[in-house]
Amino acid sequence: DAKTTQPNSMESNEEEPVHLPCNHSTISGTDYIHWYRQLPSQGPEYVIHGLTSNVNNRMASLAIAEDRKSSTLILHRATLRDAAVYYCILRAYNGGNQFYFGTGTSLTVIP
Amino acid sequence: ETGVTQSPTHLIKTRGQQVTLRCSSQSGHNTVSWYQQALGQGPQFIFQYYREEENGRGNFPPRFSGLQFPNYSSELNVNALELDDSALYLCASSSLAENTGELFFGEGSRLTVL
Repeated sequence: DAKTTQPNSMESNEEEPVHLPCNHSTISGTDYIHWYRQLPSQGPEYVIHGLTSNVNNRMASLAIAEDRKSSTLILHRATLRDAAVYYCILRAYNGGNQFYFGTGTSLTVIP
Repeated sequence: ETGVTQSPTHLIKTRGQQVTLRCSSQSGHNTVSWYQQALGQGPQFIFQYYREEENGRGNFPPRFSGLQFPNYSSELNVNALELDDSALYLCASSSLAENTGELFFGEGSRLTVL
């Protein structure tokens, strides 16, 4: 299982952008990069995913390095509701829905 | 659109007992996967069911077993419970055909083994 490395914790001020980094130096050419987040007392929630190009959706943006060995999840304006554990996960192209979560980054948003 | 629902939300068992956890998948989803999340850890993949058959399994012993029913709902069974089985058990549904990798999780069943 391809592994990812994330900082254990990060802090951000409310209404400021947040950049959550993820290293995945062993990524293979067909692995997708997924981000999920888990709010307290809830199951994980899909945030965004990509393969090679940067991606945007209503929740966040995903910036993928040219060599694909790292990526960054960008929350454009952090709110208190964004306080959660963020997981960066690699999924094999033919891996179905088998995700291998690490310990993620715990994001604290300061009012 | 009904989301993923799990039952029971909390339960307590003693070592050696057996437990069955249930999951109703989101409407239109034909794939269910189960995850175990110990306190302070990320979820760990147990197995996945598609068309009533197991089609992927993580590093869990055979005493963890499951079923998927024709309506795509699912059960997770754990026999001979051990103290380390205490965890939050999460069910996630998806549509394998879409292959987007977007899982929809329930809120989990918290199992405590004494």
